[in-house]
This record gives sequence, C-alpha cells and structure tokens, in this order.
Amino acid sequence: ETGVTQTPRHLVMGMTNKKSLKCEQHLGHNAMYWYKQSAKKPLELMFVYSLEERVENNSVPSRFSPECPNSSHLFLHLHTLQPEDSALYLCASSQEYLPITDTQYFGPGTRLTVL
Amino acid sequence: AQSVSQHNHHVILSEAASLELGCNYSYGGTVNLFWYVQYPGQHLQLLLKYFSGDPLVKGIKGFEAEFIKSKFSFNLRKPSVQWSDTAEYFCAVNPCMEYGNKLVFGAGTILRVKS
Repeated sequence: ETGVTQTPRHLVMGMTNKKSLKCEQHLGHNAMYWYKQSAKKPLELMFVYSLEERVENNSVPSRFSPECPNSSHLFLHLHTLQPEDSALYLCASSQEYLPITDTQYFGPGTRLTVL
Repeated sequence: AQSVSQHNHHVILSEAASLELGCNYSYGGTVNLFWYVQYPGQHLQLLLKYFSGDPLVKGIKGFEAEFIKSKFSFNLRKPSVQWSDTAEYFCAVNPCMEYGNKLVFGAGTILRVKS
C-alpha cells in the first residue's frame, strides 16, 4: 500500500467519450502530480498542483483537464482524446512542492486505451 | 535538449551476478538524483536518493548508487542480484535550477534475473 490510489486501473474509451481519472493520496501531502508514461518513452510530467493550485502545466493539450478540489484528491478529465494518448497515467504526491528535496510517492497508474 | 539517459534498455543477469546500471544527465548546476524501481504489477517505488553529502548513497534491498559530478553520472549498483530484483529501474533527476519539485525521468532499464 503506497498511500496513493488511482481509479480506474484500466480504461478503454472512444475518441468522442468523456471520462475522468481519479487519484487519492492518504499521506497528508500538499503537492500532487500527473505523469504520462507512453510505450518506449520516459515518464513525462504533465501537471503539478500545490495546495490545490496548479503550479505547472507542461505544455499539455487542452483535451486533458486537471482538477484538484482538495489536497487529497486529483482528477484528470479527458475529452476528445486521440489514439496516441493511449498510455499509463501515473499520479504522485509529495509533502510539499518546495523544497525540491521531497520524495514523490507514486500510485499504481491507470492504463488508458483510446480507440 | 536537457535529458536523462539510461544506457541499457534491457539487462539479463544470472543470480549472484553483479549489477551496474548507468545513468547520465545533461543538466548543469546542482541536481537531486533518484532511482526508482517498478516490480512486475506494482507501482513505482523509491530505491534511493541523493541530495548532498557523501556521493555514495545506500538504498533499500542492498542497492547503492554513486554520484560522480564530473561525469554527470549516478550509476546504480548491487554486488549480487537475486531473482526478486527482476524489475524496471528508472533514474530521475530534479534539476535544482528549475523551480519546484519536478522530476525528469530516464527511459528505464528492464532487468531480468535468471534463477
């Protein structure tokens, strides 16, 4: 048990669907992150939230829309995705966004397939 | 572009063999360095990290890594691997010149240990 949970673990969606990924952390952390892990590519940072405010958007297309209603929950809303968006989406959390020495703890990921 | 490079994508070893996985980064200045491991079917877990001080860092499960600043390297080592070390290993860098806790990952090295 990592303290970071993600649901669903697997998701198949069509290009016209709207779906959401959920992340919850039980560690009392103040910073949360979305990463994308595509086949044969390194993990890429997508978004960072600190104290429920977005502090980083790493040039992510607007078809991905994050939401952080409180410091324990992070969502990634998906709409009109493309097949190349198929990937493993990982959520992470750390005690704080600053200092940068805080360790990030990862969830198990959501395996997304876009048809 | 600045990046993190892991030299081998696949490594196959017999039990009791010694392991060294290479990691190089191209960021100048101060960096924080991490090795994460992902066992089959499990989430990413922190193996060890380096922030400052002794460049030889000891982690969990008998792993260690050495930071060589002049070589921009942070290689992971284990004197004698076990079958249970079969996993994917990721090197990650937090470039301190960037604002905030942001990890840049290498592409990963898949280690298979034959029993």
